[in-house]
Amino acid sequence: EAQVTQNPRYLITVTGKKLTVTCSQNMNHEYMSWYRQDPGLGLRQIYYSMNVEVTDKGDVPEGYKVSRKEKRNFPLILESPSPNQTSLYFCASSSAGTPYNEQFFGPGTRLTVL
Amino acid sequence: AQKVTQAQTEISVVEKEDVTLDCVYETRDTTYYLFWYKQPPSGELVFLIRRNSFDEQNEISGRYSWNFQKSTSSFNFTITASQVVDSAVYFCALSDRSNAGKSTFGDGTTLTVKP
Repeated sequence: EAQVTQNPRYLITVTGKKLTVTCSQNMNHEYMSWYRQDPGLGLRQIYYSMNVEVTDKGDVPEGYKVSRKEKRNFPLILESPSPNQTSLYFCASSSAGTPYNEQFFGPGTRLTVL
Repeated sequence: AQKVTQAQTEISVVEKEDVTLDCVYETRDTTYYLFWYKQPPSGELVFLIRRNSFDEQNEISGRYSWNFQKSTSSFNFTITASQVVDSAVYFCALSDRSNAGKSTFGDGTTLTVKP
């Protein structure tokens, strides 16, 4: 089944404790992206990648890191999480190396930083 | 810069009513792509439609229709004869050539369809 998977689905952590949210897609998509969803603010793009080893900042990259060493994986790293990073996170992928085609979204990761 | 405005934060209708969700976009590019996504209460994001800037033809898919007007920079979404299952948050999104890789979403419109 074609899909985007994210792990974990739910995470409660404390300020400053490094964490990684994994994202993997099995569709051989070149484009991958991370978004955060906050009430009233829609989806805001954190980072995106148009191919392996190619990543760039979205609109809200502060406090996040990403890497794209393999085509299928695009982990989101929070080196020192803070409470303002409490949010619902979505990973997405698209068949073009750009977001010009539909994006397929993962199920979301709900992160709480205490 | 690319921008998407969904001015309607929440809409409530009674089943079988028609409802239109507004989307206004801003871009300086002549080549761009517009999208609508649905997020039902279960939380997943579901793709509904994609339009490129060179195709202003309106689209109909069952009870759903989309009206793309470049003259007013709008890409509105109409649900005809709404049903309770249409209750969801709907997002309009934009990607343009000059911001390659970036994707901008509106704040979303929460639609509630009451029986």
